[in-house]
Amino acid sequence: EVQLVESGGGLVQPGRSLRLSCAASGFTFDDYAMHWVRQAPGKGLEWVSGISWNSGSIGYADSVKGRFTISRDNAKNSLYLQMNSLRAEDTALYYCAKDLYSRSGSYYFDYWGQGTLVTVSS
Amino acid sequence: QSALTQPASVSGSPGQSITISCTGTSSDVGSYNLVSWYQQHPGKAPKLMIYEVSKRPSGVSNRFSGSKSGNTASLTISGLQAEDEADYYCCSYAGSSSVVFGGGTKLTVL
Repeated sequence: EVQLVESGGGLVQPGRSLRLSCAASGFTFDDYAMHWVRQAPGKGLEWVSGISWNSGSIGYADSVKGRFTISRDNAKNSLYLQMNSLRAEDTALYYCAKDLYSRSGSYYFDYWGQGTLVTVSS
Repeated sequence: QSALTQPASVSGSPGQSITISCTGTSSDVGSYNLVSWYQQHPGKAPKLMIYEVSKRPSGVSNRFSGSKSGNTASLTISGLQAEDEADYYCCSYAGSSSVVFGGGTKLTVL
């Protein structure tokens, strides 16, 4: 059974940093691209970032480019999101999501975690 | 990376069909057949319902179908059921390893 478990969320002041983690199990992690998608309270989904199976291809939403860094450790079956210079508008539930296709990547998200809440406030 | 445009809400009675539109640009929906749709019930994680414009993942009812014409993709749900009441989001590849979602549509089953 595929499982994605996010952690690392919490309350943080504007301008500070936070690192999110996603522990994956139930599939061959290093075969699949992975993504972060967020959802502000009461709002819609926003893709944040994605990383290919071998970290060779990485993409970011314009809203986080230059502030957030996605990475993965295939040996640890883990995905990360380093978030710097956090702003109030980064407040959201952050989901880790698995890509549908192995190796090629598809930008379709077939499994999602339950999310970790990040609140940016003074 | 502007959000795709979806109607804020749609409604239908049980047994009826509804269609949710998703309008993008020639830089996203119009350029790629990498369109997907997600269903999200309150307090739950999203669920993939349609990928590659019109394909259904295993386990998704054939009452759900997708299509695309030009810069607009559509999700049709036939034979509406109470459990279909949820938020629906379209999503498209937008080039340069990026993705864009629609603003979401709240489906109410009357």
